[in-house]
Amino acid sequence: SQQGEEDPQALSIQEGENATMNCSYKTSINNLQWYRQNSGRGLVHLILIRSNEREKHSGRLRVTLDTSKKSSSLLITASRAADTASYFCATAVTPGETSGSRLTFGEGTQLTVNP
Amino acid sequence: EPEVTQTPSHQVTQMGQEVILRCVPISNHLYFYWYRQILGQKVEFLVSFYNNEISEKSEIFDDQFSVERPDGSNFTLKIRSTKLEDSAMYFCASSVNPRHGTEAFFGQGTRLTVV
Repeated sequence: SQQGEEDPQALSIQEGENATMNCSYKTSINNLQWYRQNSGRGLVHLILIRSNEREKHSGRLRVTLDTSKKSSSLLITASRAADTASYFCATAVTPGETSGSRLTFGEGTQLTVNP
Repeated sequence: EPEVTQTPSHQVTQMGQEVILRCVPISNHLYFYWYRQILGQKVEFLVSFYNNEISEKSEIFDDQFSVERPDGSNFTLKIRSTKLEDSAMYFCASSVNPRHGTEAFFGQGTRLTVV
Protein backbone atom coordinates (compact mmCIF):
# COMPACT_ATOMS: atom_id res chain seq x y z
CA SER A 1 0.00 0.00 0.00
CA GLN A 2 1.09 3.57 -0.51
CA GLN A 3 1.56 6.63 1.68
CA GLY A 4 -1.72 8.28 2.54
CA GLU A 5 -4.34 5.65 1.81
CA GLU A 6 -7.89 6.43 2.71
CA ASP A 7 -10.72 4.10 3.40
CA PRO A 8 -13.42 3.66 2.52
CA GLN A 9 -13.04 4.66 -1.12
CA ALA A 10 -16.68 5.66 -1.19
CA LEU A 11 -19.18 6.39 1.54
CA SER A 12 -22.85 7.15 1.15
CA ILE A 13 -24.89 8.34 4.14
CA GLN A 14 -28.07 10.22 4.98
CA GLU A 15 -28.13 13.83 6.04
CA GLY A 16 -27.70 14.14 9.78
CA GLU A 17 -25.57 11.02 10.11
CA ASN A 18 -21.88 11.09 10.98
CA ALA A 19 -19.23 10.23 8.41
CA THR A 20 -15.89 8.70 9.36
CA MET A 21 -12.99 8.44 6.96
CA ASN A 22 -9.66 6.81 7.74
CA CYS A 23 -6.17 7.36 6.43
CA SER A 24 -3.04 5.28 6.84
CA TYR A 25 0.51 6.22 5.97
CA LYS A 26 3.94 4.67 6.05
CA THR A 27 6.69 7.16 6.84
CA SER A 28 7.39 9.65 9.62
CA ILE A 29 5.56 12.92 9.17
CA ASN A 30 5.61 16.50 10.44
CA ASN A 31 1.88 16.86 10.24
CA LEU A 32 -1.18 15.48 8.50
CA GLN A 33 -3.74 17.61 6.71
CA TRP A 34 -7.22 16.90 5.44
CA TYR A 35 -8.54 18.49 2.29
CA ARG A 36 -11.85 18.53 0.53
CA GLN A 37 -12.40 18.67 -3.22
CA ASN A 38 -15.68 19.26 -4.95
CA SER A 39 -15.89 17.61 -8.34
CA GLY A 40 -13.37 19.17 -10.73
CA ARG A 41 -12.60 22.02 -8.35
CA GLY A 42 -9.72 23.12 -6.14
CA LEU A 43 -8.55 21.65 -2.87
CA VAL A 44 -9.93 23.28 0.25
CA HIS A 45 -7.92 22.92 3.42
CA LEU A 46 -9.99 21.57 6.31
CA ILE A 47 -7.73 20.87 9.24
CA LEU A 48 -4.11 20.22 10.16
CA ILE A 49 -2.92 18.01 12.98
CA ARG A 50 0.71 18.02 14.06
CA SER A 51 2.64 14.84 14.78
CA ASN A 52 2.66 15.60 18.52
CA GLU A 53 -1.11 16.06 18.66
CA ARG A 54 -3.64 13.29 19.11
CA GLU A 55 -6.96 14.98 18.45
CA LYS A 56 -8.20 18.23 17.02
CA HIS A 57 -11.62 19.78 16.49
CA SER A 58 -12.88 22.41 14.10
CA GLY A 59 -16.62 23.00 13.96
CA ARG A 60 -18.23 19.73 12.87
CA LEU A 61 -14.86 18.17 12.11
CA ARG A 62 -12.87 15.97 14.46
CA VAL A 63 -9.50 14.59 13.47
CA THR A 64 -7.44 12.03 15.33
CA LEU A 65 -3.87 10.98 14.77
CA ASP A 66 -2.19 7.83 16.01
CA THR A 67 1.48 8.00 15.10
CA SER A 68 2.18 4.55 16.54
CA LYS A 69 -0.29 3.05 14.09
CA LYS A 70 0.45 5.64 11.41
CA SER A 71 -3.20 6.37 10.96
CA SER A 72 -5.64 9.25 11.13
CA SER A 73 -9.39 9.59 11.02
CA LEU A 74 -11.69 12.42 10.00
CA LEU A 75 -15.15 12.55 11.53
CA ILE A 76 -17.80 14.85 10.12
CA THR A 77 -20.73 15.10 12.50
CA ALA A 78 -24.32 15.92 11.56
CA SER A 79 -23.55 15.73 7.86
CA ARG A 80 -25.27 17.91 5.29
CA ALA A 81 -25.88 17.44 1.58
CA ALA A 82 -23.35 20.22 1.00
CA ASP A 83 -20.65 18.03 2.54
CA THR A 84 -20.78 15.83 -0.56
CA ALA A 85 -17.24 15.89 -1.96
CA SER A 86 -13.99 13.95 -2.09
CA TYR A 87 -11.90 14.04 1.06
CA PHE A 88 -8.15 13.55 1.00
CA CYS A 89 -5.57 13.14 3.69
CA ALA A 90 -2.13 14.50 2.96
CA THR A 91 0.98 13.79 4.96
CA ALA A 92 3.56 16.54 5.22
CA VAL A 93 7.29 15.97 5.30
CA THR A 94 9.79 18.82 5.45
CA PRO A 95 13.06 17.40 4.13
CA GLY A 96 15.48 20.18 4.93
CA GLU A 97 16.10 23.52 6.55
CA THR A 98 14.84 25.56 3.62
CA SER A 99 12.47 23.03 2.07
CA GLY A 100 8.78 23.50 1.81
CA SER A 101 6.53 20.75 3.06
CA ARG A 102 5.96 18.16 0.40
CA LEU A 103 2.41 16.83 0.72
CA THR A 104 1.69 13.24 -0.22
CA PHE A 105 -1.97 12.73 -0.94
CA GLY A 106 -4.06 9.63 -0.62
CA GLU A 107 -6.56 8.35 -3.16
CA GLY A 108 -9.42 10.02 -1.35
CA THR A 109 -12.82 9.05 -0.04
CA GLN A 110 -15.83 10.07 -2.10
CA LEU A 111 -18.52 11.08 0.38
CA THR A 112 -22.12 11.35 -0.74
CA VAL A 113 -24.62 12.80 1.71
CA ASN A 114 -28.16 12.14 0.62
CA PRO A 115 -30.82 14.70 1.56
CA GLU B 1 -10.04 36.19 2.83
CA PRO B 2 -6.72 35.91 0.98
CA GLU B 3 -6.54 33.16 -1.60
CA VAL B 4 -4.26 31.62 -4.18
CA THR B 5 -5.40 32.52 -7.68
CA GLN B 6 -4.55 30.65 -10.85
CA THR B 7 -4.96 31.56 -14.49
CA PRO B 8 -6.18 30.39 -16.86
CA SER B 9 -8.80 28.05 -15.42
CA HIS B 10 -8.67 25.93 -18.55
CA GLN B 11 -6.04 25.70 -21.29
CA VAL B 12 -6.08 23.59 -24.42
CA THR B 13 -2.81 23.22 -26.29
CA GLN B 14 -1.35 21.25 -29.15
CA MET B 15 1.18 18.54 -28.37
CA GLY B 16 4.69 19.94 -28.56
CA GLN B 17 3.66 23.48 -27.68
CA GLU B 18 4.92 25.38 -24.67
CA VAL B 19 2.49 26.39 -21.95
CA ILE B 20 2.84 28.70 -18.99
CA LEU B 21 0.52 28.31 -16.04
CA ARG B 22 0.27 31.28 -13.75
CA CYS B 23 -0.34 31.61 -10.06
CA VAL B 24 -0.52 34.43 -7.57
CA PRO B 25 0.24 33.00 -4.12
CA ILE B 26 -1.03 34.56 -0.89
CA SER B 27 1.00 37.70 -0.34
CA ASN B 28 2.77 36.96 2.96
CA HIS B 29 3.55 33.34 2.09
CA LEU B 30 7.13 32.29 1.54
CA TYR B 31 6.87 28.79 0.11
CA PHE B 32 5.28 27.95 -3.20
CA TYR B 33 4.36 24.64 -4.78
CA TRP B 34 2.97 23.03 -7.88
CA TYR B 35 0.98 19.82 -7.80
CA ARG B 36 -0.90 18.01 -10.51
CA GLN B 37 -3.85 15.64 -10.61
CA ILE B 38 -4.40 13.45 -13.63
CA LEU B 39 -8.10 12.74 -14.06
CA GLY B 40 -9.23 10.07 -11.63
CA GLN B 41 -5.84 9.85 -9.92
CA LYS B 42 -4.12 11.18 -6.82
CA VAL B 43 -2.81 14.68 -6.39
CA GLU B 44 0.97 14.48 -6.99
CA PHE B 45 3.72 16.80 -5.81
CA LEU B 46 5.80 18.42 -8.56
CA VAL B 47 8.02 21.07 -7.00
CA SER B 48 8.52 23.39 -4.06
CA PHE B 49 10.12 26.82 -4.29
CA TYR B 50 11.60 29.09 -1.65
CA ASN B 51 13.83 32.13 -1.71
CA ASN B 52 13.85 32.22 -5.50
CA GLU B 53 15.01 28.69 -6.01
CA ILE B 54 13.68 25.17 -6.20
CA SER B 55 13.94 23.50 -2.80
CA GLU B 56 12.61 20.10 -3.80
CA LYS B 57 11.27 18.41 -6.91
CA SER B 58 9.74 15.07 -7.69
CA GLU B 59 10.72 12.60 -10.40
CA ILE B 60 7.82 13.93 -12.48
CA PHE B 61 9.47 17.37 -12.64
CA ASP B 62 11.92 16.64 -15.44
CA ASP B 63 13.76 18.99 -17.82
CA GLN B 64 10.53 19.82 -19.60
CA PHE B 65 9.29 21.64 -16.53
CA SER B 66 10.52 24.88 -15.03
CA VAL B 67 9.27 27.34 -12.44
CA GLU B 68 9.87 31.00 -12.02
CA ARG B 69 8.92 33.88 -9.79
CA PRO B 70 9.33 36.69 -12.30
CA ASP B 71 8.19 39.44 -9.94
CA GLY B 72 6.99 39.89 -6.38
CA SER B 73 3.61 38.33 -6.92
CA ASN B 74 3.52 35.77 -9.73
CA PHE B 75 4.72 32.18 -9.67
CA THR B 76 4.71 30.31 -12.98
CA LEU B 77 5.03 26.74 -14.19
CA LYS B 78 6.30 26.28 -17.73
CA ILE B 79 6.07 23.07 -19.70
CA ARG B 80 8.39 23.40 -22.68
CA SER B 81 7.05 20.79 -25.07
CA THR B 82 3.76 19.36 -23.92
CA LYS B 83 2.89 15.69 -24.26
CA LEU B 84 -0.52 14.06 -24.18
CA GLU B 85 0.25 12.66 -20.75
CA ASP B 86 0.72 16.18 -19.37
CA SER B 87 -3.05 16.59 -19.52
CA ALA B 88 -4.09 17.12 -15.91
CA MET B 89 -5.32 19.64 -13.39
CA TYR B 90 -2.39 21.69 -12.13
CA PHE B 91 -2.64 23.20 -8.69
CA CYS B 92 -0.53 25.95 -7.24
CA ALA B 93 -0.22 26.20 -3.46
CA SER B 94 1.52 28.40 -0.95
CA SER B 95 2.31 28.30 2.74
CA VAL B 96 3.77 30.62 5.32
CA ASN B 97 6.34 28.42 6.95
CA PRO B 98 5.81 24.67 6.80
CA ARG B 99 8.52 24.04 9.37
CA HIS B 100 6.15 25.57 11.88
CA GLY B 101 3.43 23.22 10.71
CA THR B 102 1.32 25.66 8.75
CA GLU B 103 -1.10 24.49 6.14
CA ALA B 104 -0.78 24.82 2.40
CA PHE B 105 -3.50 26.76 0.61
CA PHE B 106 -4.38 25.68 -2.88
CA GLY B 107 -5.70 27.55 -5.87
CA GLN B 108 -8.66 26.42 -7.93
CA GLY B 109 -6.39 24.82 -10.49
CA THR B 110 -5.72 25.06 -14.21
CA ARG B 111 -7.09 22.23 -16.29
CA LEU B 112 -4.56 21.57 -19.02
CA THR B 113 -5.71 19.56 -22.02
CA VAL B 114 -3.06 18.53 -24.55
CA VAL B 115 -4.45 17.45 -27.93
